[in-house]
Amino acid sequence: GAVVSQHPSWVICKSGTSVKIECRSLDFQATTMFWYRQFPKQSLMLMATSNEGSKATYEQGVEKDKFLINHASLTLSTLTVTSAHPEDSSFYICSAIFGTSLYNEQFFGPGTRLTVL
Amino acid sequence: AQSVAQPEDQVNVAEGNPLTVKCTYSVSGNPYLFWYVQYPNRGLQFLLKYITGDNLVKGSYGFEAEFNKSQTSFHLKKPSALVSDSALYFCAVRDIGGDDKIIFGKGTRLHILP
Repeated sequence: GAVVSQHPSWVICKSGTSVKIECRSLDFQATTMFWYRQFPKQSLMLMATSNEGSKATYEQGVEKDKFLINHASLTLSTLTVTSAHPEDSSFYICSAIFGTSLYNEQFFGPGTRLTVL
Repeated sequence: AQSVAQPEDQVNVAEGNPLTVKCTYSVSGNPYLFWYVQYPNRGLQFLLKYITGDNLVKGSYGFEAEFNKSQTSFHLKKPSALVSDSALYFCAVRDIGGDDKIIFGKGTRLHILP
């Protein structure tokens, strides 16, 4: 199946700093990518939908100024957690749809574990 | 708005026995249903999907799921469980014709006992 990578796989940062997480589709072009957040023993919470060349669509309750999303190319989307605080510590997962059809399944990255001290 | 329910937090099955992980959904339009599996500290892996056609869908690793429109269910099944099937399983639904978002269930942890 299609491969999606994330970098870094884990990151520890101090409170107040910003952290950038990259999501790449390695062997296909992804018009649409998604960013999720997963808390321990909980389901995935959709944070935003990232469309190449346009602004991301954020879910209700997600601060767009805090979680900056950029989808600069068909193979790369980035999530920047600005001025991170301990409550931002979580497992962040991206996914991409192979092709343009909304009927195609998502392929998920391996996730990035963020720990804010 | 669509929703998906996985009524069991955990399912325990002896190795070699059949397994079922339950999922029910609610949509305003037509459902597009998925099952994903997640291993510890990993992303999700696609198992199978239902769009239309045969109600019984076969997927990866010997898993299958049956779409039941009248019961609005999409239970995941496998005839003979393996210890390596132990993981966290998520059901997801996309409401085609509704708001088109993908919503995940809370997940069911499957323990296969040797």
